[in-house]
Amino acid sequence: DGGITQSPKYLFRKEGQNVTLSCEQNLNHDAMYWYRQDPGQGLRLIYYSQIVNDFQKGDIAEGYSVSREKKESFPLTVTSAQKNPTAFYLCASSKAGGSYNEQFFGPGTRLTVL
Amino acid sequence: GQQVMQIPQYQHVQEGEDFTTYCNSSTTLSNIQWYKQRPGGHPVFLIQLVKSGEVKKQKRLTFQFGEAKKNSSLHITATQTTDVGTYFCAGWSGNTNAGKSTFGDGTTLTVKP
Repeated sequence: DGGITQSPKYLFRKEGQNVTLSCEQNLNHDAMYWYRQDPGQGLRLIYYSQIVNDFQKGDIAEGYSVSREKKESFPLTVTSAQKNPTAFYLCASSKAGGSYNEQFFGPGTRLTVL
Repeated sequence: GQQVMQIPQYQHVQEGEDFTTYCNSSTTLSNIQWYKQRPGGHPVFLIQLVKSGEVKKQKRLTFQFGEAKKNSSLHITATQTTDVGTYFCAGWSGNTNAGKSTFGDGTTLTVKP
């Protein structure tokens, strides 16, 4: 059964702690993306990767870090430097980077920082 | 940078009424994609428009791409309760291999039975 998995679905952390969100895909897609979604707002791009061992900052990368050591995996770390980390985080992938490929989204992780 | 504006932010309709959401870009787009996110769910790809003036239909949904490739619309005829959700457009411009799009803020549709 192919798709994108994100875990956990809900995550609670204390302020000041780093937290890593998991994203795995078995679609054999080259490109992967991380988005943040806040109520009443669209999807804002945090980081994206078009190929293993390479990634680029999106529009709101400050306070976040990523790695892309394997094609299937693109974990996102929310660091203590992120001033307002409570949000819904969505991971996506596409066959390749570039404009003509639809993005497939995972179910998301809802992060709450207390 | 590229901006994609989407209106309205919310739309409440009676079941059977029509619904339209509009997407406007500050720059010319190479293509535009539309996604639907059900309440509590994740965005799901609906369609992609590439050509100037392109019109595509999916049952009761009609998608249009403007002649100047700076705007797009999604029209739903005779809404049903299953149409509830948030509809997003995602625009791509510049280098088509650049790897990232810009999403609009979405239009949230509620349908009263």
